[in-house]
Order: sequence, then structure tokens, then C-alpha cells
Amino acid sequence: AQSVSQHNHHVILSEAASLELGCNYSYGGTVNLFWYVQYPGQHLQLLLKYFSGDPLVKGIKGFEAEFIKSKFSFNLRKPSVQWSDTAEYFCAAGGGGNKLTFGTGTQLKVEL
Amino acid sequence: DAGVIQSPRHEVTEMGQEVTLRCKPISGHDYLFWYRQTMMRGLELLIYFNNNVPIDDSGMPEDRFSAKMPNASFSTLKIQPSEPRDSAVYFCASSWVNTGELFFGEGSRLTVL
Repeated sequence: AQSVSQHNHHVILSEAASLELGCNYSYGGTVNLFWYVQYPGQHLQLLLKYFSGDPLVKGIKGFEAEFIKSKFSFNLRKPSVQWSDTAEYFCAAGGGGNKLTFGTGTQLKVEL
Repeated sequence: DAGVIQSPRHEVTEMGQEVTLRCKPISGHDYLFWYRQTMMRGLELLIYFNNNVPIDDSGMPEDRFSAKMPNASFSTLKIQPSEPRDSAVYFCASSWVNTGELFFGEGSRLTVL
């Protein structure tokens, strides 16, 4: 069965700290990977996506993620977080079609 | 672009009442998805459509839930009768064929008392 695991449910950081959120997936065949962000009271928005090619993917707002096939991982990183990055982050995986399986999400709180 | 439009944004109802949630996808998108978000279970896919045809409804929790897409610009998710455990935020999303990128609506927050 397809599944996505996010190991950190709640993360609290100070501004300017570095961020890494873990994501592991279990998927047969070709996999497309995504990170979505949900700011408080808003809908989910795409941060970045990986379909193929360079395993280091850069997204909006300074976020990046690295696809490591051997580890079935797609961790999200940002070198220096800002208070405005406070949000919930979802990793998602899909098998080439449009049906995505989401992880349970990671709540990030950035303190001033 | 208008984005995915959902209504109502908030709904409070009593147990046993019928609830209808509505969604207008982005024009030109041929996939439409209904997700449910709860604290306990995160984001769950309930059902999705391709070209107005239901493709996978295995996530629909019970027969009390039904979804329709009568045309390319409108879909409904109906719960009848509603129960307190149905309280959640219901998201509609749409996408183009094979892009894998979903565009989400603002969600409908349902509270069943």
C-alpha cells in the first residue's frame, strides 16, 4: 500500500534557525513527490515538487528538498526560517497520475 | 484566476441533518478531489473524479457520504445523515491531467453537534 510518513509532528524553532522536516514514502514504481504548506486558516499551497531529474529541488520562499531514492526520503529544508514560515507542512506522493497520498503533516512554529 | 471555490466556508449543523458541500474547480482542470482533514487522521482522500466520472471512492467512509460531479464546473459532497464524528475540514482540489499538482480550495469547516 502507498504511504507517506512524516516523523516530526511538531517543531518549534527560533528565527534564523535551520529547518529540516523528514518525509519517507512507500510507493511501488515511479513516484512524484511534493511538499505543500498550509498557513493558519488558509488552504494548502504547493511549495515544491519532484518528478524527475536533479534530486535537489528548489521551491518558493527559499525552501528546498532532496530526493534520496535509496532512502525513500524527500526531506524539506530551509537554511534560515522566518516567523512567517509558521505553518503546517505536508509531504505527498503520487504514482504518476494525479492521486496523491499525504503525510499527517508537521506543525512548524517559529518564535521571534 | 479564480482558483478552486468552495461553499459554505463554515457549516454548523445538528446530528441527523443533511449537509451539502459544494466545489467549483479551476476551469480547464479535468481532475477533482475531495479530501477530509482532521487532527487525528490528517488529510484523507475521500473520492476523486476524472472528466466528471468517479474514479476512486474507496476513501468514502460510509454510505452516508456521496459525491457527484454533474458537469466539469461543479461537484457536491453530501453527508446524510450527519454525525458528530463527521466534523472536519473538507477540501476540494483540482488539477490538470498528469501534472500531479493539486490546487486546493479554502475548505469547508463542518461542525456537527
